[in-house]
Amino acid sequence: AQSVTQLGSHVSVSEGALVLLRCNYSSSVPPYLFWYVQYPNQGLQLLLKYTTGATLVKGINGFEAEFKKSETSFHLTKPSAHMSDAAEYFCAVSDMFSGGYNKLIFGAGTRLAVHP
Amino acid sequence: GAVVSQHPSWVICKSGTSVKIECRSLDFQATTMFWYRQFPKQSLMLMATSNEGSKATYEQGVEKDKFLINHASLTLSTLTVTSAHPEDSSFYICSARTSYNEQFFGPGTRLTVL
Repeated sequence: AQSVTQLGSHVSVSEGALVLLRCNYSSSVPPYLFWYVQYPNQGLQLLLKYTTGATLVKGINGFEAEFKKSETSFHLTKPSAHMSDAAEYFCAVSDMFSGGYNKLIFGAGTRLAVHP
Repeated sequence: GAVVSQHPSWVICKSGTSVKIECRSLDFQATTMFWYRQFPKQSLMLMATSNEGSKATYEQGVEKDKFLINHASLTLSTLTVTSAHPEDSSFYICSARTSYNEQFFGPGTRLTVL
């Protein structure tokens, strides 16, 4: 079974500061890992994903994440926070072996607040 | 990226009535769509996997007679909440899977049952 743990349900940073959102996963097969962002009353938007290949993945809006197999982690970072980054962030894990259905298992989410 | 729409974006209904929510892939065909439920300030919980032309696969604990799913075409899946009750009030989000196995999410439907 797969699972995702996001450490910290709320993270608050100053504008311009480093953003670090933590995600650890559990998977018995090679995982596919995702970060999504959700703005209030909206669906999810994909920030970035890791499937295979390079372990440092760059996404939209200046975000990036690094897949560390030894640590079973996929932390999301952004060098300089912007006010518009304030949102809910979800880490998710999937695999391509469960009948090819690509089920996503989501973490509990981290709410990012950015203050001036 | 691919676009997924949901209709309606919000709905208020009386207890005991049924509500249908549509999920459409606008610019691609999706043989597989997913339905999620999200309670306030919580994560998304997968309810069911909808496959075009076949029965949906429900997750454990989800009542299939309560949440009817129909995936009648490659661009449309519907979720019908039957005999809705206040505890069914939630944010329902669908996603559609492309042929290259990436999921795109709809904007969600907020259901409020009075």
